[in-house]
Amino acid sequence: QVQLKQWGARVLRPSETLSLTCAVDGGPFSGFSWDWIRQPPGGGLEWIGEFQDSGKTKYNPSLKSRVTMSVDASRGQFFLNLTSVTAADTAVYYCARADYSAPEAYGMDVWGQGTTITVSS
Amino acid sequence: QPVLTQPPSASEIPGQSVTISCSGTPSNIGKNYVYWYQQLPGKAPRLLIYRNNQRPSGVPDRFSASKAVTSASLAISGLRSEDEGDYYCAAWDDTLTTSCVFGTGTKVTVL
Repeated sequence: QVQLKQWGARVLRPSETLSLTCAVDGGPFSGFSWDWIRQPPGGGLEWIGEFQDSGKTKYNPSLKSRVTMSVDASRGQFFLNLTSVTAADTAVYYCARADYSAPEAYGMDVWGQGTTITVSS
Repeated sequence: QPVLTQPPSASEIPGQSVTISCSGTPSNIGKNYVYWYQQLPGKAPRLLIYRNNQRPSGVPDRFSASKAVTSASLAISGLRSEDEGDYYCAAWDDTLTTSCVFGTGTKVTVL
């Protein structure tokens, strides 16, 4: 059973950089895309971006100027960096495995447990 | 950032059926697959439906979905207490830059 285990600093001050890691356990790394999604307190899901198997990245246009995603395939890990955080970035952050390749196009079929990030001065 | 519009809530008694709508545009639902995710209280989201109407293994056939031109719907039949939670649709959107968009979410309450 494939699992995603994620971790990172949970409390940040405004203007700091959010850094999260997600590790793939029990399954392959190559052949999939790797996504980050967040959910503010009491709110809905917001897609942050995706690191595709091709090496390309796609980001939410509203966050693009502050987001960087990368991977270390040799260790089965992928990373999220979000710079210049504010209170509006307070949310639960999820990592997810995605497969949109034809014909299956499964979507985000494996999710991490979530990491609660609080931005406060 | 475009979003997909869902009703904020839906409720029904156990055993009955509930249907959740998801309204999009030609640039998202109109040309791409729709996905549905279930989020039970305090849990991470879980894939419920992929490629418009396909159920991953382990998802009961009480859950079904369909897609029209620029809208989609999720139906839950034989409602059970463990179905109570939030449901989100999602699709890729090709406006300007390609990005994934989620629906606004629907809270399903089992009365």
